Amino acid sequence: SQQGEEDPQALSIQEGENATMNCSYKTSINNLQWYRQNSGRGLVHLILIRSNEREKHSGRLRVTLDTSKKSSSLLITASRAADTASYFCATGSGGGADGLTFGKGTHLIIQP
Amino acid sequence: DAGVTQSPTHLIKTRGQQVTLRCSPKSGHDTVSWYQQALGQGPQFIFQYYEEEERQRGNFPDRFSGHQFPNYSSELNVNALLLGDSALYLCASSWAGVADTGELFFGEGSRLTVL
Repeated sequence: SQQGEEDPQALSIQEGENATMNCSYKTSINNLQWYRQNSGRGLVHLILIRSNEREKHSGRLRVTLDTSKKSSSLLITASRAADTASYFCATGSGGGADGLTFGKGTHLIIQP
Repeated sequence: DAGVTQSPTHLIKTRGQQVTLRCSPKSGHDTVSWYQQALGQGPQFIFQYYEEEERQRGNFPDRFSGHQFPNYSSELNVNALLLGDSALYLCASSWAGVADTGELFFGEGSRLTVL
């Protein structure tokens, strides 16, 4: 079963605009990660935020985590055509043996 | 430094057949996880291998089995294929030295079509 739910399911914006995607999850977590997937290919890790962190930055990416609301958001600033992809949040709830639980993803389209 | 490699990239099988998918982890990684991604869905965890043992398993029937070799490479086997097994199968590698489920490195996947 999917733990995370991304919102919106699809998002289309103009190049240069900011894109915000949200993720909600159900159970307690150890960390939350965001991955990108281009057109049915492998996933690429973007950023990891731990349960005791509230915000994290990496280049044009900003991730927030609100454990009281069981939600996270991913902000991509100054979007580029190459950012067109599906974005997934994934949660890890325990030790290193646990698999990640992914949401269904947000499909982001950047219009040139 | 080679990343995670998977083979084959595409394959077509018929119902009832068996399939074997292969994965070589990123250099320096000793843990391999397998995920199934149906069209339009997120990846679902099948199982994880470490030290040649299945360490944890997701909600998949025992038609799905795996193996890890001494060089850390891994195979995923699916028996008695069903139409619903059609999906992208993703292998991910990591290092067991991390304290929790950290960053995974994914291969490009093997796309299985069952007719």
